[in-house]
Formats: sequence, structure tokens, C-alpha cells
Amino acid sequence: DSGVTQTPKHLITATGQRVTLRCSPRSGDLSVYWYQQSLDQGLQFLIQYYNGEERAKGNILERFSAQQFPDLHSELNLSSLELGDSALYFCASSVAGMNSPLHFGNGTRLTVT
Amino acid sequence: DAKTTQPNSMESNEEEPVHLPCNHSTISGTDYIHWYRQLPSQGPEYVIHGLTSNVNNRMASLAIAEDRKSSTLILHRATLRDAAVYYCISDGSSNTGKLIFGQGTTLQVKP
Repeated sequence: DSGVTQTPKHLITATGQRVTLRCSPRSGDLSVYWYQQSLDQGLQFLIQYYNGEERAKGNILERFSAQQFPDLHSELNLSSLELGDSALYFCASSVAGMNSPLHFGNGTRLTVT
Repeated sequence: DAKTTQPNSMESNEEEPVHLPCNHSTISGTDYIHWYRQLPSQGPEYVIHGLTSNVNNRMASLAIAEDRKSSTLILHRATLRDAAVYYCISDGSSNTGKLIFGQGTTLQVKP
């Protein structure tokens, strides 16, 4: 058990809809990272927050947004969903930034129909 | 971000050592080398990381070449539970800590 909790585990929704994925980091971890994993793209880094502030941005679409709250949990919002957004979404956390091991949750499987 | 090259797949026999290679010829002097693995239906799991010297922990050993252009992850006695995708990452991410994953090596362990 990594200590990172992601909810829900599974999500099925229709195209055009909006969903929110939630992540609770390990106790004491200040950094939260979001990754997307699809069969054809592998693990893609989306975005990182550190203590409530955006720290780094990757291949995140404009339809997607994230935030980290004062209690350090994070939410990833996906809107105007398309079939191609179907993927596993992982959250990871670490104590600080550079070179601290990342601890990953077990992901949210999103299916867009 | 620095790039790494790994074989797509490898096979090993149970209870034998496994050497997983990784090339990172464009690595900069301050880039760490990280290894993660992903078991089926799970999130990636940290294995080990290092900068210049060889590193050991309870899961594995990391041997880093003197010129740092390559490294090898060593599993001393493979078990069936070690079957996973192994990712070698040389992040080049300055001060953020984000990791850029490549395609990894799929390790099969035969009983």
C-alpha cells in the first residue's frame, strides 16, 4: 500500500460530460503529480502541484484542469470528454521536489462511451 | 528532458539474477537515474535511484557506469512477483521532481 488514495476506482461516462478525480497524498507529502496512461501513449505526465501551487505542467489538455487544496488533497477535472480520454489516471505524491521517490496510487480507470 | 533506451522485453528464470540495461547517453551531470516498475493492474512502484555510485536497497541494486551513460538494474533472485514493466528514467527535470516515463522493459519470469 503506497498510502496514496484515489477515488473513484472506476468511472464510466458519456462524451461531452465532465468528471472529477480525487487524490489524497501520503501523509506529509507536499507534492502531487497527475499522470495519464493509455495503451497507445504510455504514462504521460500531466501536471504537478507543490503545497498548493502549480509547479510543472506537461501534456495536459486545456479541457483538463487540476488544483491542490489547503489540506493537500488534489482534484483533476476533465471536461467535454472525448472517447480518446478513456485511460487510467494516476496520482502520485512525494515529500518534496527533486529526487524524492514518487508514490503512486492505484489509479482511476475512466471509460468514455 | 533526458531520454533513455531500454529493451522492449526480457525473460528470466525464477530464482536467477536479472540484469535490466538502460542507456541514457544524453544524461547531464546533475540528472539522477530512477527505476520504477509497474505490476499488472497497479500504479508504478519506486524501485531505486542513484546519481554516480552504485546503490543497493532491499529490492534491487543499481549499477551505474563510470561515464554515467548507462546503468543496470539488478534483481538478485527473480520471483514470479517480479514480472512487471520496468522503467528507467533520467529526468532532467531541474527542480520539479516530475518524472518522464518511456516505454520500459517488460520482464517475464518463468517458473
